[in-house]
Amino acid sequence: DAGVIQSPRHEVTEMGQEVTLRCKPISGHNSLFWYRQTMMRGLELLIYFNNNVPIDDSGMPEDRFSAKMPNASFSTLKIQPSEPRDSAVYFCASRGDGRISGNTIYFGEGSWLTVV
Amino acid sequence: AQSVTQPDIHITVSEGASLELRCNYSYGATPYLFWYVQSPGQGLQLLLKYFSGDTLVQGIKGFEAEFKRSQSSFNLRKPSVHWSDAAEYFCAVMNTGFQKLVFGTGTRLLVSP
Repeated sequence: DAGVIQSPRHEVTEMGQEVTLRCKPISGHNSLFWYRQTMMRGLELLIYFNNNVPIDDSGMPEDRFSAKMPNASFSTLKIQPSEPRDSAVYFCASRGDGRISGNTIYFGEGSWLTVV
Repeated sequence: AQSVTQPDIHITVSEGASLELRCNYSYGATPYLFWYVQSPGQGLQLLLKYFSGDTLVQGIKGFEAEFKRSQSSFNLRKPSVHWSDAAEYFCAVMNTGFQKLVFGTGTRLLVSP
């Protein structure tokens, strides 16, 4: 079975540019999460969707960050404009209905973002 | 709010020796607990999880963990470490109400020959 698929795997962009990260959750999963990993702050939850609806976006750092989930098989995390301090690994993760796969969250390979 | 403490930032173990990585959690009710591993440049892979029942849980790659409610701990163990186990290990707790994971800061495992 395909896991959580993220793209791009690596991106280097210039400060001020727009960055769009993409995620395809595991088929049939109804919850999707965006996490950010940095040396300073570790793994932080940015936003959490359930059935395509944002449930908790309290971790989104500021208005430059936005996330959407237009359907059950696709989500984006956008940074506009990007800044060097946004450099991090961004993980997408998904979880299915507890009756099917339990309360286990599966992670993608991450999108490694460098803003110069 | 729930939280996770991994007191060891780095641990070095000789190949073939036993391993124990510590994890303490803070949560009022019975937690869902997880251990994930991250190899360099890779994503997070689930090693094992505890939801309820037997407090000793078995995972992949020969790892096990024991839930001790009295100590609020969920330590990860492996009887004999292999060089390929060198990675960063994250303990996490999930609040069933909020259904999201809170991670510890991670423990980096180094394996010496």
